[in-house]
Amino acid sequence: AQTVTQSQPEMSVQEAETVTLSCTYDTSESDYYLFWYKQPPSRQMILVIRQEAYKQQNATENRFSVNFQKAAKSFSLKISDSQLGDAAMYFCAFHQGAQKLVFGQGTRLTINP
Amino acid sequence: GAVVSQHPSRVICKSGTSVKIECRSLDFQATTMFWYRQFPKQSLMLMATSNEGSKATYEQGVEKDKFLINHASLTLSTLTVTSAHPEDSSFYICSARNGQGTYGYTFGSGTRLTVV
Repeated sequence: AQTVTQSQPEMSVQEAETVTLSCTYDTSESDYYLFWYKQPPSRQMILVIRQEAYKQQNATENRFSVNFQKAAKSFSLKISDSQLGDAAMYFCAFHQGAQKLVFGQGTRLTINP
Repeated sequence: GAVVSQHPSRVICKSGTSVKIECRSLDFQATTMFWYRQFPKQSLMLMATSNEGSKATYEQGVEKDKFLINHASLTLSTLTVTSAHPEDSSFYICSARNGQGTYGYTFGSGTRLTVV
């Protein structure tokens, strides 16, 4: 079974600085999808970024980018120019084929003004 | 963009009663919807996968007689918590595949259930 591990329960960063959230996963498959979701205090799940495993190029969405290392099964999220509105729980997630979306434990990100 | 509407956002019920939570896809058809439970400061735990026109698939350890799921149309799935008890108090979230690109998911805004 696939597993997703986020080893950082909490992270903090100064406003305008850069922070990287870690995520590793375990799978024997070669074709799959990885996601980062943000859950602010409202608890609405918001898709931040998505990566297809067959693509070598790292996905980027404005200030958010990933470092996808397929061989190492690592999928970290980098947030540049951190803003107060980035404060939230961040969940890494894995999906393959017809199987369910598997979430990591989450990382709580605090932005210090 | 794809929107999933979940109602109610908050509900308080008495122990022993049943509560129904609705999840609607507003601008797309969702053949598959998912129901999650989230405890405070924890991750989302998948409870069941709801398929339109067929029985839901429950995750191991989830009581199917307590958490009744109905997916009668392509835009509506419901979760009914039957004979609720205080330990059923939690945050429940639904999700649907939105058809936007491959494996796109859209989440409802969640329902906070409190059983007193």
